Amino acid sequence: EPEVTQTPSHQVTQMGQEVILRCVPISNHLYFYWYRQILGQKVEFLVSFYNNEISEKSEIFDDQFSVERPDGSNFTLKIRSTKLEDSAMYFCASGGPNEQYFGPGTRLTVT
Amino acid sequence: AQSVTQLGSHVSVSEGALVLLRCNYSSSVPPYLFWYVQYPNQGLQLLLKYTTGATLVKGINGFEAEFKKSETSFHLTKPSAHMSDAAEYFCAVSDYDTGNQFYFGTGTSLTVIP
Repeated sequence: EPEVTQTPSHQVTQMGQEVILRCVPISNHLYFYWYRQILGQKVEFLVSFYNNEISEKSEIFDDQFSVERPDGSNFTLKIRSTKLEDSAMYFCASGGPNEQYFGPGTRLTVT
Repeated sequence: AQSVTQLGSHVSVSEGALVLLRCNYSSSVPPYLFWYVQYPNQGLQLLLKYTTGATLVKGINGFEAEFKKSETSFHLTKPSAHMSDAAEYFCAVSDYDTGNQFYFGTGTSLTVIP
C-alpha cells in the first residue's frame, strides 16, 4: 500500500540554524501539505501546495518557512533560522480536500 | 472558518465496554469529517471519513461514526474496547469550499483499563 514517507525521523538542531525536512508524498497525489504538532497540543496546518505553488498558508507559516518540490517526488519544508518554539513534530501529508494521508512525522528539537 | 471541538481530553473505558469519543464542528458549508488515530511516537492514521452519502460511516478496527447535521456532531464509537485501542484520537474537518487545510481538534486520549 502506498504511503507518505518522511526523513529524518528526528532532527536536533541549534537555534538559528537552517533545517530541511523531507517528504515523499504518494505518487499520484496532487496536493501536498505540512502540519505541525507541538508536544501535547493539536495538529496545526502550516501550508498546502498544489501545481507547484503554495495554495494556502496559515499565520504560523511566516517568512522563515518555505516549501519546495525540487523534483517529481520530494516535497521539502525549510526553516531558515530555527527558534526554540519551532520544536515540534512536523507531519507531511498528501491527497486532497476529502482525504489526506499523513507521514510518520519528523520530530524537530531546537536547542 | 471551520473549527472542531473534542469534549474530554482524556477518556477511560474498561476493556469490552463501549467507546464514545465526542466531536462537534462548525462549518459554514457542508463539511468533510475525519477521525484519525495516533499511537505513541507514530503518525496519524485515518480511521474513517465522511464526505457525502450515508451518514453512518464505518472505519477500520471496528470503529464507526455518525454525521448528525442538526447537532453538528461526528462522534466516534466502538461497541467493545480492546487494549490495542489505547491511543490519541483526533477529529478533523475540511470542506470543498476551503479546499485544502484540515482543522483538527485538540485530541482525546483513550485509556483502556483491563
